[in-house]
Amino acid sequence: GAVVSQHPSRVICKSGTSVKIECRSLDFQATTMFWYRQFPKKSLMLMATSNEGSKATYEQGVEKDKFLINHASLTLSTLTVTSAHPEDSSFYICSAEGVFTNTGELFFGEGSRLTVL
Amino acid sequence: KQEVTQIPAALSVPEGENLVLNCSFTDSAIYNLQWFRQDPGKGLTSLLLIQSSQREQTSGRLNASLDKSSGRSTLYIAASQPGDSATYLCAVYSGAGSYQLTFGKGTKLSVIP
Repeated sequence: GAVVSQHPSRVICKSGTSVKIECRSLDFQATTMFWYRQFPKKSLMLMATSNEGSKATYEQGVEKDKFLINHASLTLSTLTVTSAHPEDSSFYICSAEGVFTNTGELFFGEGSRLTVL
Repeated sequence: KQEVTQIPAALSVPEGENLVLNCSFTDSAIYNLQWFRQDPGKGLTSLLLIQSSQREQTSGRLNASLDKSSGRSTLYIAASQPGDSATYLCAVYSGAGSYQLTFGKGTKLSVIP
């Protein structure tokens, strides 16, 4: 099946620094990638939709200057948490929709746990 | 706005028992519905995908049903095993240009040996 890889799986950083998380589709081209955030004991929340070669579309309430998304190629999207603060600590998951499928099935990365001290 | 509810929030069963997880959604205009499994601290594993035109899908000991008109889906797990212990998430995909995948909060399943 299609594989989506996320890196890093865990990251700890100091408050005020920026952290980049990568999401790669390993064996398929992804025209669209999605970034989710999961708070403890809560369901996943869609943060933004990223289309290759164009600006990301952010969900209401998500700060685009805080969460920078770049989708430079059909296999890579990055999420950069800028000037991270402890309240940004969360589990971030990406997913990708392949060009080969019209079923709407999404493939998910393993997730990245961010801890901001 | 689509809302997805999963009941119960947590379930504990003895090994070998059959069980049913429930998912309900408020807007029946869906493209498909997916069931996922999430282990602690891990990403999501897709278990079953049901298109809006389908009534059920089966994979091994798992069977998912979809009743779009009533806004309900169930995930049936037969002969449960300790390795089935995880959080099970239901997600509805609106499709048709909207890539919003709306998740429920999940059901945390514990299978006791």
